[in-house]
This record gives sequence, C-alpha cells and structure tokens, in this order.
Amino acid sequence: EVQLVESGGGLVQPGGSLRLSCAASGFTFSSYEMNWVRQAPGKGLEWVSYISSSGSTIYYADSVRGRFTISRDNAKNSLYLQMNSLRAEDTAVYYCATVGFGDCFDYWGQGTLVTVSS
Amino acid sequence: QSVLTQPPSVSGAPGQRVTISCTGSSSNIGAGYDVHWYQQFPGTAPKLLIYGNSNRPSGVPDRFSGSKSGTSASLAITGLQAEDEADYYCQSYDSSLSLWVFGGGTKLTVL
Repeated sequence: EVQLVESGGGLVQPGGSLRLSCAASGFTFSSYEMNWVRQAPGKGLEWVSYISSSGSTIYYADSVRGRFTISRDNAKNSLYLQMNSLRAEDTAVYYCATVGFGDCFDYWGQGTLVTVSS
Repeated sequence: QSVLTQPPSVSGAPGQRVTISCTGSSSNIGAGYDVHWYQQFPGTAPKLLIYGNSNRPSGVPDRFSGSKSGTSASLAITGLQAEDEADYYCQSYDSSLSLWVFGGGTKLTVL
C-alpha cells in the first residue's frame, strides 16, 4: 500500500524557516517524480514544487521561487521542502504527492499544517 | 483567479445527475494536456478521481465520469448519493506558465 506521511509543520514567525519532510513507503520511491501542493485555509489547491525521480530536474511556482528548496533522498525514501523567508501568505496545509499518468497527482499524503504568524 | 475556471458550487438531489465544468485556454486544456479530477472531503487530503481526462482509478465507482472537448473538461456524477458531497478540483498543465494548475474548486451539495 502506498503511504506518504508529511511532517515538520508548525507555527513559525514571519521571516522564519521550516523544513518539511515526506516519508514514502509501499512503492519504489526512486522511480517516481514528486510534487508539493499546498492549500491555504478555506482556499483551493496550489501547486508549489516538482522534482524528478533522480532529483536532477526541479521546478517552482513563482510564489515560492528563491525562498523554497525541494530535494529528495532516494536512499531514505524521503522528500523534503526547505522553506525560508516565510510569509503570512505561506500559511497552508502542505501535501506531498506522487506524479502519475499524464502528470496527475495520484497519491497524496495527509498533509502538514504550516502557520506563519507573529 | 485560477487559470482553470470552475463553478463555485453545484447541487443536486439524490439520484440525479450533476456536471462540473472546468474551463481553460489554448495554453493548457486546449493545448492537449490531460485533465484530472480530485475529490476532497473536509479536513482530508484530495483523492484522485479521474485521470487522463476520462479514466477512473481502481475503486472509483463508474457513477463518476470525465470528458474533455476543446478548451474545457467536465466531470459528471450520476445517481448522486449523499456521500458524494465534497469539493471537486480539476487540474492540468499550462505551457505558457510552465506549471501545473488547478481549478478553484467546486463544492457539491446533495440536497
């Protein structure tokens, strides 16, 4: 069974940093492209970042480029999102998701809440 | 404003058929990129409902179907059930923005 478990969320002050993790199991993690998607309270879904299976190709949404860094450790079956210079508008539940057929997001974690507030 | 446009809400009585539209442009749906649909219940993660415009993952009832034409796509739900009450999102890829895009979401209410 595919499992994705996010962790690392919490309350952080504006300008602060957090590192999110996504632990994968039940599939060959090193073969899968991965994404981070976020959802602000009461709002819709927003794609944040993409990383290829090897980690050699990375993309970011304009809203986070230069502040967030996606990475992965295939030996540890883990995906990461380093978030720096956090802003109030980064407050959201952050989900990791696998990339499936036609670039759909076929498996999702349960999400981790990041709250940026003073 | 979302790149993909969905109605904020739709409703229907049990047993009825409802459709949710997803309107894009020539740089996403109209460019031939696949449309995918997700179902999300309050407080839970989204779940893939339809992929590749019209394909259902294993376990998704055949009451759910998807279609795509031109710059738009639609999700149809037949035989509406109370348990279908949820938020629904469409998703595709946009070549001009070079990123994955979601619709704003549609809240389905079963009357």
